[in-house]
Amino acid sequence: KQEVTQIPAALSVPEGENLVLNCSFTDSAIYNLQWFRQDPGKGLTSLLLIQSSQREQTSGRLNASLDKSSGRSTLYIAASQPGDSATYLCAVEDSNYQLIWGAGTKLIIKP
Amino acid sequence: EAEVAQSPRYKITEKSQAVAFWCDPISGHATLYWYRQILGQGPELLVQFQDESVVDDSQLPKDRFSAERLKGVDSTLKIQPAELGDSAMYLCASSFGETQYFGPGTRLLVL
Repeated sequence: KQEVTQIPAALSVPEGENLVLNCSFTDSAIYNLQWFRQDPGKGLTSLLLIQSSQREQTSGRLNASLDKSSGRSTLYIAASQPGDSATYLCAVEDSNYQLIWGAGTKLIIKP
Repeated sequence: EAEVAQSPRYKITEKSQAVAFWCDPISGHATLYWYRQILGQGPELLVQFQDESVVDDSQLPKDRFSAERLKGVDSTLKIQPAELGDSAMYLCASSFGETQYFGPGTRLLVL
């Protein structure tokens, strides 16, 4: 059974720092991996989708990498801003085309 | 930009009462999902529709939960009777391809 883990559960960094969020999964048989953002009490917004054949995807200050063989993905945020404060969740799409989710990393960027 | 609509945004109810949530997906999206998200956890898939047909409802507690998408467009999720443990965020998402688009969610509090 696929399990997705995100460490740390929470992270607080000063504004302007670069940071990395981690996601690991137990079964490498995935179709893709997605990173989402969730603001408090709100729905989820898709940030980046990496196909299983890809190694990374970039969008603005965000870069996501995927190492399927080791079951790991990272989300790199450059030059963090207070507006980046949110919970970041990763999810893998399994062989049944369903998303299996991590519990998220709550990120706080201090001004 | 098209969005997934959900109502109500918040619902407070007493245990043993019935509650219903509504979701209107993005026009043209054949696939619709209902998720439950407990605070501090990732979303859990409750039911997935393809047009008006249920694709997966294996995690739906069928003794108290029901979901329908009669015309293959909007959808209703019902809980009867509600229990204290049902307090959570209920998220609806729709997709046309790989990316799921989420609504703002309905936060349910059962007293």
